[in-house]
Amino acid sequence: SAVISQKPSRDICQRGTSLTIQCQVDSQVTMMFWYRQQPGQSLTLIATANQGSEATYESGFVIDKFPISRPNLTFSTLTVSNMSPEDSSIYLCSVGTQGDGGYTFGSGTRLTVV
Amino acid sequence: GDSVTQMEGPVTLSEEAFLTINCTYTATGYPSLFWYVQYPGEGLQLLLKATKADDKGSNKGFEATYRKETTSFHLEKGSVQVSDSAVYFCALMDSSYKLIFGSGTRLLVRP
Repeated sequence: SAVISQKPSRDICQRGTSLTIQCQVDSQVTMMFWYRQQPGQSLTLIATANQGSEATYESGFVIDKFPISRPNLTFSTLTVSNMSPEDSSIYLCSVGTQGDGGYTFGSGTRLTVV
Repeated sequence: GDSVTQMEGPVTLSEEAFLTINCTYTATGYPSLFWYVQYPGEGLQLLLKATKADDKGSNKGFEATYRKETTSFHLEKGSVQVSDSAVYFCALMDSSYKLIFGSGTRLLVRP
């Protein structure tokens, strides 16, 4: 299975600022996703990162708040914009090959907004 | 829409006890089903999977059988260890190849 490098692993940010999270994969993958995991909660899908085109966002998430880039089949970024304390969560990148049966997750970025 | 329901935790067991974590799903068709595990401070790891009815997924002593009749995928282990303490997530893959997760069940195993 693919190996993911997700950076940073954690950060403490001031409200009103933005943070960009990187997801680097050691092999080409067709599917890349970004999830949010709020403290003690399950995972909520933010968006599907599409190579060379705009990401597909889930209900409740918008591009202005969570812009996503995916320039190729091994790399994606998620930006959390204009942060507020409510954005404090773990953000996870997930990758896989369509129909492969089971995706790999990065180790996550633990974000605290103060 | 598709959804996954898991038993609430925490589940607290003594070492070597039998484990069952219940998972049921609602979906159109017959989705692939998964169990993921999250150890403290880490990301999610795929524990096991089943892609069609009556399939049994197994790994590290854990098992789960895809039951179409009861729309269930319960996780079992015959003898848990302290090192199994983690949060376990049941998930299905929808028709758009997205994973939909249950709420997670925290397992605490005491020596």
